[in-house]
Amino acid sequence: DTAVSQTPKYLVTQMGNDKSIKCEQNLGHDTMYWYKQDSKKFLKIMFSYNNKELIINETVPNRFSPKSPDKAHLNLHINSLELGDSAVYFCASSQDGGNQPQHFGDGTRLSIL
Amino acid sequence: SQQGEEDPQALSIQEGENATMNCSYKTSINNLQWYRQNSGRGLVHLILIRSNEREKHSGRLRVTLDTSKKSSSLLITASRAADTASYFCATDAQNSGYALNFGKGTSLLVTP
Repeated sequence: DTAVSQTPKYLVTQMGNDKSIKCEQNLGHDTMYWYKQDSKKFLKIMFSYNNKELIINETVPNRFSPKSPDKAHLNLHINSLELGDSAVYFCASSQDGGNQPQHFGDGTRLSIL
Repeated sequence: SQQGEEDPQALSIQEGENATMNCSYKTSINNLQWYRQNSGRGLVHLILIRSNEREKHSGRLRVTLDTSKKSSSLLITASRAADTASYFCATDAQNSGYALNFGKGTSLLVTP
């Protein structure tokens, strides 16, 4: 059974479009995250949601908006896509309380033409 | 902000040899974690070591933590071709809930 699943796996689109990436976890975790991995494999936190509340928002453009309909889902919506948005986006989840491992999805590779 | 820095950036060894990767970080931490990433896949948690621990083992993995030097090492013993992957250390990001700050990773190649 897939613990953290995200769709689509690949997303190819043109500049200026709006797109969404979906993420679901079946682990019963309280906290979910979105990370961005650039072409040099550097991973950077974008958002963290705990019990449907945004608890961090790093310096991410407001074109990116996370939406959490319930604690098992954290979707990422991106408006007006730019070339620099090309990257691999990873969803992750963890149990509450810190000192906990994070479970990652397999990523969504976003390519902007 | 980036917290961890892995060293070396790339490591190539033969099956059966040991692989050692190092990680340095900048600020105080609650814990340090190591993750593995196979090509085209998500990160997989390997081991978590708390700030009051000095060494931890899990199968062929051995992690050390030196908080006075703000450094950690990951040792993989008797490496296998299947260990080929990128390895990342991660520390808890300050004032960011439970999010992690990742280093740039060490790319490990194990050849038969």
